[in-house]
Amino acid sequence: NAGVTQTPKFRVLKTGQSMTLLCAQDMNHEYMYWYRQDPGMGLRLIHYSVGEGTTAKGEVPDGYNVSRLKKQNFLLGLESAAPSQTSVYFCASSLAGARNEQFFGPGTRLTVL
Amino acid sequence: AQKVTQAQTEISVVEKEDVTLDCVYETRDTTYYLFWYKQPPSGELVFLIRRNSFDEQNEISGRYSWNFQKSTSSFNFTITASQVVDSAVYFCALTLQGGSEKLVFGKGTKLTVNP
Repeated sequence: NAGVTQTPKFRVLKTGQSMTLLCAQDMNHEYMYWYRQDPGMGLRLIHYSVGEGTTAKGEVPDGYNVSRLKKQNFLLGLESAAPSQTSVYFCASSLAGARNEQFFGPGTRLTVL
Repeated sequence: AQKVTQAQTEISVVEKEDVTLDCVYETRDTTYYLFWYKQPPSGELVFLIRRNSFDEQNEISGRYSWNFQKSTSSFNFTITASQVVDSAVYFCALTLQGGSEKLVFGKGTKLTVNP
């Protein structure tokens, strides 16, 4: 089992460019999450999904969109990247919600110039 | 609102020392869950423990132990006889029983264990 995987691992964008981060899990988990980690800030929830076809806003959703067309995949999109979105992005999944252990991917380091 | 405070930003110890990482939380709910995660230099977060608000028993797992005290809203983590491999950033986190799926993280404590 690969667990939670993220693509790409690194990316550099110019301001205004768009991109999609892909998260995949092979544990048949219902819940999936996108977090961003900034120095001195801990992790903050961007968006989450409680099942295929569902998405919901987290703590810092502005500037991001998500889709969960398949149970195993959770996509995070940046339509017009800004320097403030420079961060490390983590995807996580959970069998039964935030009250349970979350399994994290290796992260994507994004730099917006 | 939920809040998790890890007042220790960085801790440095010498191998074999014991070290305690502090976590203080705030919530008005009576049912909640507390977590500790480890983020080694490789970057991936690893789950260590979950505790619900009704279970105040302390837990020990090898060299790791956790002290949950509702009276002081604290969920502290102790590493006994620290090792270099314990060097990591440790996060405490809190979520509530129902409603939002929000898991609130503290800002983390960076532990460096020197040989």
